[in-house]
Amino acid sequence: DTAVSQTPKYLVTQMGNDKSIKCEQNLGHDTMYWYKQDSKKFLKIMFSYNNKELIINETVPNRFSPKSPDKAHLNLHINSLELGDSAVYFCASSQLASEMPLSFGQGTRLTVV
Amino acid sequence: RKEVEQDPGPFNVPEGATVAFNCTYSNSASQSFFWYRQDCRKEPKLLMSVYSSGNEDGRFTAQLNRASQYISLLIRDSKLSDSATYLCVVGSGTSYGKLTFGQGTILTVHP
Repeated sequence: DTAVSQTPKYLVTQMGNDKSIKCEQNLGHDTMYWYKQDSKKFLKIMFSYNNKELIINETVPNRFSPKSPDKAHLNLHINSLELGDSAVYFCASSQLASEMPLSFGQGTRLTVV
Repeated sequence: RKEVEQDPGPFNVPEGATVAFNCTYSNSASQSFFWYRQDCRKEPKLLMSVYSSGNEDGRFTAQLNRASQYISLLIRDSKLSDSATYLCVVGSGTSYGKLTFGQGTILTVHP
């Protein structure tokens, strides 16, 4: 009965590889997000989708490509992974795209070696 | 000035103590304010929203001062289980839901 679930929880990969993180929410929310938490613990928004439409796209390298097949799913694909991509990536959802409280997934800890 | 700024701490307090955290924000158009709690290696969880008139939830009280652009969180009668990082979160004042997180304030409550 997990509200926001993302997989995998841990991901260790080599530089240059391509990887994907999946996220699903069963809350019936319209809006989903990807946040990145770096080693200094800052949580920064990367992308936001409202009903499958991209509405927030922060200054993120184009190696990162979100995909939303439906409003309950938001996946993140990362090409040509770099050491600096190592971080915890959190998926989140909210009822509306208007600064409502967020429900977070448990995070994916990505380590690039 | 950072968009959202918090004292990172750490705050080390004994059980039963009262502790207060402050957070300043730079965007005067911000309309939404929250406090989140994040336990070590876990996801952030909503602690409480912050309303203009101030609001209380059990031992937790949140205040908003728009003129000075800061919000505060007061925890009374601290418990060991309150040990966590407390994140101040501020909305962008736009319609598309961008929330900005502060760096977080680390609280450790000891016996």
